[in-house]
Amino acid sequence: NAGVTQTPKFQVLKTGQSMTLQCAQDMNHEYMSWYRQDPGMGLRLIHYSVGAGITDQGEVPNGYNVSRSTTEDFPLRLLSAAPSQTSVYFCASRPTGYTEAFFGQGTRLTVV
Amino acid sequence: SQQGEEDPQALSIQEGENATMNCSYKTSINNLQWYRQNSGRGLVHLILIRSNEREKHSGRLRVTLDTSKKSSSLLITASRAADTASYFCATKEGGSYIPTFGRGTSLIVHP
Repeated sequence: NAGVTQTPKFQVLKTGQSMTLQCAQDMNHEYMSWYRQDPGMGLRLIHYSVGAGITDQGEVPNGYNVSRSTTEDFPLRLLSAAPSQTSVYFCASRPTGYTEAFFGQGTRLTVV
Repeated sequence: SQQGEEDPQALSIQEGENATMNCSYKTSINNLQWYRQNSGRGLVHLILIRSNEREKHSGRLRVTLDTSKKSSSLLITASRAADTASYFCATKEGGSYIPTFGRGTSLIVHP
């Protein structure tokens, strides 16, 4: 099993550009989420989904959009990149119930 | 805002010593989890303790939970250089779908 796969691993964007960070899981997990990790800030929740067609905002949703058309995929869209969005982004998934979350390897994004 | 806060922020010890890190949280929880993150990698789940449990063991890991103090501790016994990583606690409140993470403790184990 591949687990949670994030692409790309690294990306440099210019201010104002848009892009989509991809996240796919092959474990048939219902719950998926996006976090950003900044130095000294830990992980902050951006958006999450409890199933196909259902998404909700987390702690820091501004500037990001998500959709969940299938169980497997949960892309994160940056509509107009800003330097403040320079960060490492992690996607995670988990099945229902009191169980662990599985994380991807992260996407390191730099906005110049 | 983040639910859990780890303490200390950084910990440096010698191989063979025990490492203890703490997590405090603010509201009632269903469970608390500890994760590990090696440099440049994603988080990996270590152990989960439910709100009705007080202590749990897994190999060299020992986790305690004190719901009256809203705190948890992670003890790594006989540390190895390979334990060098950041450690995060994550809490899940009742009714929430997604756990929230603290800022982490950076552990360095010197060989």
